[in-house]
Amino acid sequence: GEDVEQSLFLSVREGDSSVINCTYTDSSSTYLYWYKQEPGAGLQLLTYIFSNMDMKQDQRLTVLLNKKDKHLSLRIADTQTGDSAIYFCAESIPGSARQLTFGSGTQLTVLP
Amino acid sequence: NAGVTQTPKFRILKIGQSMTLQCTQDMNHNYMYWYRQDPGMGLKLIYYSVGAGITDKGEVPNGYNVSRSTTEDFPLRLELAAPSQTSVYFCASRDGLGGNQPQHFGDGTRLSIL
Repeated sequence: GEDVEQSLFLSVREGDSSVINCTYTDSSSTYLYWYKQEPGAGLQLLTYIFSNMDMKQDQRLTVLLNKKDKHLSLRIADTQTGDSAIYFCAESIPGSARQLTFGSGTQLTVLP
Repeated sequence: NAGVTQTPKFRILKIGQSMTLQCTQDMNHNYMYWYRQDPGMGLKLIYYSVGAGITDKGEVPNGYNVSRSTTEDFPLRLELAAPSQTSVYFCASRDGLGGNQPQHFGDGTRLSIL
């Protein structure tokens, strides 16, 4: 079955690095995504990684994928107060519609 | 760029009423999706469409209906509103040409059933 799990809360100090973790169960996942949701808004795509990659870096964001352990992480360097939001990981299941299965989201709070 | 537009942004319904949540996209995407997001939960797929005239059920379709008469529009219909349908509803679209194409989301419709 498909299941994506994330821890619910994370607090960090401004300027520190944040690491948000995610585990997934479907080994046939082809793409894994990180979305950001600010209060009252929709989901904004942050980054994604293809399942044959180990790492992807995009400015302050680093995605690490351990396919053997089905573990995905998002590292945000130099975390700012504007990074406070809910972060969702999602896996794309192969198929005609490439449906996404989402985790429950991690609420990141950045403290001054 | 408008992207994915959802209307209305907020709505309060009485039990048993019906309504249609509108979703339109201007990116000529073939794939469109409806999700619901309950507090503290991830998004659950209600219905999806791979092109005009084609729709299919997602994980939680009961109590909802959809239609896809054009590429741009994908309305979601609630026929007999129930308190369990209180949620935030998100519409998304995706270009079907490449496997890495992400889903683009609207800002959501916040629906309360009282």
